[in-house]
Amino acid sequence: ELKVEQNPLFLSMQEGKNYTIYCNYSTTSDRLYWYRQDPGKSLESLFVLLSNGAVKQEGRLMASLDTKARLSTLHITAAVHDLSATYFCAVEGGGPYPHSGGGADGLTFGKGTHLIIQP
Amino acid sequence: SAVISQKPSRDICQRGTSLTIQCQVDSQVTMMFWYRQQPGQSLTLIATANQGSEATYESGFVIDKFPISRPNLTFSTLTVSNLSPEDSSIYLCSASRGGEGNEQFFGPGTRLTVL
Repeated sequence: ELKVEQNPLFLSMQEGKNYTIYCNYSTTSDRLYWYRQDPGKSLESLFVLLSNGAVKQEGRLMASLDTKARLSTLHITAAVHDLSATYFCAVEGGGPYPHSGGGADGLTFGKGTHLIIQP
Repeated sequence: SAVISQKPSRDICQRGTSLTIQCQVDSQVTMMFWYRQQPGQSLTLIATANQGSEATYESGFVIDKFPISRPNLTFSTLTVSNLSPEDSSIYLCSASRGGEGNEQFFGPGTRLTVL
């Protein structure tokens, strides 16, 4: 059974600081996703990471993937208040019915990191 | 990307009744999924909605409680049957076109409260 662990689960930080959220997963997977969720809202897709060593950046957020270590990181640079949200990592697969061909599997989510950035 | 809409956005239902949630995607997609997010929690996959065949359910979810339809490549419904207060959650559908680099996009969710 695929397990996805995020840490920390709660993070309060000041504007201008850097920090990293970690996502470990237990079995081999095709894709790793990072999502953002604001209170009362749905999920916004941030990054999809496909291969070992993949690194993607968007603004102050950078995500990386190490498939050998089964670890992804989401790094926040010079945090600003607008980045306050809950961040989820999710890994494709892990259910009893893996896809075949070019389809996709449902996602197994981490518990989320509740990030508060204080002015 | 794909734009996903859900109806209703929220509902309050009585114990023992059922609620059907609709999910509409603005373009054809390969895969559609249904998730549940309990208050303050993460998301849990309920099932994969297969076009033209029975849905594939994850452990702990059964067809009698969560019947799913997917009549075409842009639409799916989830029914939550025989409601109890423990079913109070947000239900989200997602969609993916599959293939290399595909993303899974989420609908806005349906907030269900069972009294």
